[in-house]
Amino acid sequence: GNSVTQMEGPVTLSEEAFLTINCTYTATGYPSLFWYVQYPGEGLQLLLKATKADDKGSNKGFEATYRKETTSFHLEKGSVQVSDSAVYFCALGDSGAGSYQLTFGKGTKLSVIP
Amino acid sequence: DAGVTQSPTHLIKTRGQQVTLRCSPKSGHDTVSWYQQALGQGPQFIFQYYEEEERQRGNFPDRFSGHQFPNYSSELNVNALLLGDSALYLCASSLGPYDNEQFFGPGTRLTVL
Repeated sequence: GNSVTQMEGPVTLSEEAFLTINCTYTATGYPSLFWYVQYPGEGLQLLLKATKADDKGSNKGFEATYRKETTSFHLEKGSVQVSDSAVYFCALGDSGAGSYQLTFGKGTKLSVIP
Repeated sequence: DAGVTQSPTHLIKTRGQQVTLRCSPKSGHDTVSWYQQALGQGPQFIFQYYEEEERQRGNFPDRFSGHQFPNYSSELNVNALLLGDSALYLCASSLGPYDNEQFFGPGTRLTVL
């Protein structure tokens, strides 16, 4: 079955530091990959996505590249801000293989200190 | 453009009771999926509704049931509540069951005492 593994947190960074959150996946088909962000007390917001190999998703300074050869979709940001403090979830969707659900990792909590 | 809305925001129930949660999809979307997110965990898929039918189901017992209405809104019902059902329940909508991109609502926080 499908699965997503992401680095465990919590991750604490100083403002303007470089961020990497690792994510690897297992899928039976050719999935789409997503990063969602969850702020305290809120639902999930789609941060970025990539639908095929070598695609790069980007939004609000965050980037992730769909690497089929390493089955990875690592999230990066060059300079984090305090407002980036949240929980980040890597997810995959594999509807082409008949699975209509999103499969999520366990989440990585990021805290950015001034 | 209205996003996904859910009601109520919070709910407190006791063991053995029944609960109904409601969801309205994003404008233009016709497919609704429900997820359970336990504290400190990623969301787990409960089921998906499309054309008023349950299309796919995750690993949840029959105590969890749902419904989709002709206007695409949806309900999640949970019977015989257990302490372990305490969680954030998220509704997501998409443009058809084959669209991997799902948009989430703010969730309903259910506490079972």
